[in-house]
Amino acid sequence: DQQVKQNSPSLSVQEGRISILNCDYTNSMFDYFLWYKKYPAEGPTFLISISSIKDKNEDGRFTVFLNKSAKHLSLHIVPSQPGDSAVYFCAARENSGTYKYIFGTGTRLKVLA
Amino acid sequence: DTGVSQDPRHKITKRGQNVTFRCDPISEHNRLYWYRQTLGQGPEFLTYFQNEAQLEKSRLLSDRFSAERPKGSFSTLEIQRTEQGDSAMYLCASSSTGTAYEQYFGPGTRLTVT
Repeated sequence: DQQVKQNSPSLSVQEGRISILNCDYTNSMFDYFLWYKKYPAEGPTFLISISSIKDKNEDGRFTVFLNKSAKHLSLHIVPSQPGDSAVYFCAARENSGTYKYIFGTGTRLKVLA
Repeated sequence: DTGVSQDPRHKITKRGQNVTFRCDPISEHNRLYWYRQTLGQGPEFLTYFQNEAQLEKSRLLSDRFSAERPKGSFSTLEIQRTEQGDSAMYLCASSSTGTAYEQYFGPGTRLTVT
């Protein structure tokens, strides 16, 4: 059973526009969420995180929004750049003192120049 | 510090053989994690260590899998009697107490079992 879902396997966006990547989860006990970016032949790179006690976290061009009632989070990238083209994973942690993260299946973002 | 390193980057083995992978975390990081990633999926948690103690193991980590971190520095992941279903990318990550939520990943070891 997939507890963290990224239902869009791919997304194409024009350079300079906003990219919105979505992630849904089923476990209401998740208390911390991460977004990672992955280029081919490299390991995932941490982008941004959000605690369940917040609804928004911003870092430069990246903003993550959390809607706990809908069990939904999204990553906004503004403005999108060609270098943002990568696979993006969301990950969630159970509120149990664990450091185990459950990852979604990823969304491939392509930013068109 | 050059980040998390993994060795080898690629491994091709025949079914039934044993393989061992190594991970060197970022030097000041006390937590180390192993994940497995198959095509079209996100990383799946296998196990993690705090210093030399293995604190959590996934159900995915069958009896054929064993991980060690003997001195709290590098770690090894061994797969015994490999099966074709073990073919995957094996990722290692590390984190420090101060940034426990941010895991820094290595480039992975791609295992192909023929």
